Amino acid sequence: DTGVSQDPRHKITKRGQNVTFRCDPISEHNRLYWYRQTLGQGPEFLTYFQNEAQLEKSRLLSDRFSAERPKGSFSTLEIQRTEQGDSAMYLCASSSTTTYEQYFGPGTRLTVT
Amino acid sequence: GQQLNQSPQSMFIQEGEDVSMNCTSSSIFNTWLWYKQDPGEGPVLLIALYKAGELTSNGRLTAQFGITRKDSFLNISASIPSDVGIYFCAGLSATDSWGKFQFGAGTQVVVTP
Repeated sequence: DTGVSQDPRHKITKRGQNVTFRCDPISEHNRLYWYRQTLGQGPEFLTYFQNEAQLEKSRLLSDRFSAERPKGSFSTLEIQRTEQGDSAMYLCASSSTTTYEQYFGPGTRLTVT
Repeated sequence: GQQLNQSPQSMFIQEGEDVSMNCTSSSIFNTWLWYKQDPGEGPVLLIALYKAGELTSNGRLTAQFGITRKDSFLNISASIPSDVGIYFCAGLSATDSWGKFQFGAGTQVVVTP
């Protein structure tokens, strides 16, 4: 069990650029979640997948955000036309279908300049 | 936005002291999770609670699912320096869909020798 991995760990980009993050969940986990965390706050739910199906999206997920999980394994989160307000830690978590327990990856720290 | 009230916001304690923190909500929750997060890392799952009144321990950590199903408590006994970090509660509302946890804003614990 290698745990949840995320890549890159850090990303610095200029406003207006597109960025893409990757998450590899724990191998036997069917459910995958994306969260955003800003300084001094807890993680905020963005979206989740069961296998390849995206089952729910938060209102926080504007049209500039898109997430995919094409083969039900790894997932990508893309942010188009980044804004300074997008600067945050983006966390991925996974769980099995038999438990509510979610296991987080190390996160991707995004800084938009 | 977050609907969980987590307190205290921060705690400064001496090594060996016990620590208590709690989360409250206006909604009824079905599941509580407690996490610890170190700077620059993702949250690490400590304890999961599934039933009202449930008391669960993990080493020096003990968490309880409140009888009203609107609150949860975490205690750390005999604190040590490695207990430093931010502790988050996460609750799954009875009215929310699977996996859509709400997080508290965190309790920062600082342990002094």
